[in-house]
Amino acid sequence: QQQVKQSPQSLIVQKGGISIINCAYENTAFDYFPWYQQFPGKGPALLIAIRPDVSEKKEGRFTISFNKSAKQFSLHIMDSQPGDSATYFCAARDAGKSTFGDGTTLTVKP
Amino acid sequence: EAGVTQFPSHSVIEKGQTVTLRCDPISGHDNLYWYRRVMGKEIKFLLHFVKESKQDESGMPNNRFLAERTGGTYSTLKVQPAELEDSGVYFCASSPAGLPTGKLFFGSGTQLSVL
Repeated sequence: QQQVKQSPQSLIVQKGGISIINCAYENTAFDYFPWYQQFPGKGPALLIAIRPDVSEKKEGRFTISFNKSAKQFSLHIMDSQPGDSATYFCAARDAGKSTFGDGTTLTVKP
Repeated sequence: EAGVTQFPSHSVIEKGQTVTLRCDPISGHDNLYWYRRVMGKEIKFLLHFVKESKQDESGMPNNRFLAERTGGTYSTLKVQPAELEDSGVYFCASSPAGLPTGKLFFGSGTQLSVL
């Protein structure tokens, strides 16, 4: 059973639009929820992260919304740019081990 | 500062052969992780070293996989004998000691194809 479920699998957004990627989890022991961004040929790189005692975290155009009761969290990319085109992974950490979602391939059209 | 280095970047082998992947973590990072992504699915945990000790190897698929981290520096992951289902991208990640944030620094991965 997959512990972190991510959707959608792929997403196409026009430049300037809002990109939204959602994740849901089951394990209530998760205590740290990062998002990673991966460009082709590169490894995933930490983009932004949140702890479960906070409902929202914003860094520039990137915002994480966290709903502890629903066990869901999402990444919002405002004013999406072609340079944001990449694969995005949500993750959740428990006891030093991170569990990842399947990834979302984002394409931002100029 | 050099990042996490993995090699080879690509490996194509035949079923039954042996392959060894190498990972050089960021200097000074005690924590070293191996992950694998198969066919566009999730990045799946394989194991975790703290220095030279295996902290958690619950994700290792079977005894055909052997990971080592001699001296607590670089790590190798050997697959012997390789099977078709072992194909995928193998990622190594590292993090400093005492950093409970869960932030991982990933290498670029090794694309393994077993034919």
